[in-house]
Amino acid sequence: DAGVTQSPTHLIKTRGQQVTLRCSPKSGHDTVSWYQQALGQGPQFIFQYYEEEERQRGNFPDRFSGHQFPNYSSELNVNALLLGDSALYLCASSSMVREQYFGPGTRLTVT
Amino acid sequence: KQEVTQIPAALSVPEGENLVLNCSFTDSAIYNLQWFRQDPGKGLTSLLLIQSSQREQTSGRLNASLDKSSGRSTLYIAASQPGDSATYLCAVEGRGNDYKLSFGAGTTVTVRA
Repeated sequence: DAGVTQSPTHLIKTRGQQVTLRCSPKSGHDTVSWYQQALGQGPQFIFQYYEEEERQRGNFPDRFSGHQFPNYSSELNVNALLLGDSALYLCASSSMVREQYFGPGTRLTVT
Repeated sequence: KQEVTQIPAALSVPEGENLVLNCSFTDSAIYNLQWFRQDPGKGLTSLLLIQSSQREQTSGRLNASLDKSSGRSTLYIAASQPGDSATYLCAVEGRGNDYKLSFGAGTTVTVRA
């Protein structure tokens, strides 16, 4: 049973560019959440997708947007990248049970 | 706004010693509490989940307790091993339409051989 998968593993972008990160949920899960983890800190909630709609959003600017596809996979898009967007981006999936399972993350470096 | 605090920030113990990690949260209206392990640069591995109606959960050498009224949880790791060296994160999920996990900053554990 495949767990949560994320791609790419690492990414280097320049300030002002745009980036797309991808996530496939654990089998049987229909809900995807995205978190940003800066070095030395706990993950911060970006948003959650359920039934292809953004169900809840954290305190992140509109530069952060997402999408969920009919197969429950999800994308996180970040526009106009800033140096401060450098972080580990984590995807988590869950079902009605609401226990969240995390993927390995995507390390984004903005130069 | 939910605030989650983990004390201590770092801990170093000799192999075989029992570990006690603390987590406190400010809003007792939670749905559940999860403990995670994170190795450097990696994702999160779920260790234990405690529903708000439960007092504790156990898995092998791990035991986690929850006192919702006082806003506290404790993770106990018995007979620590060097392989237990990692950062341990506590997270609480809100109730109702609040699905997000609110995390502490973690406790970094080093087990010396």
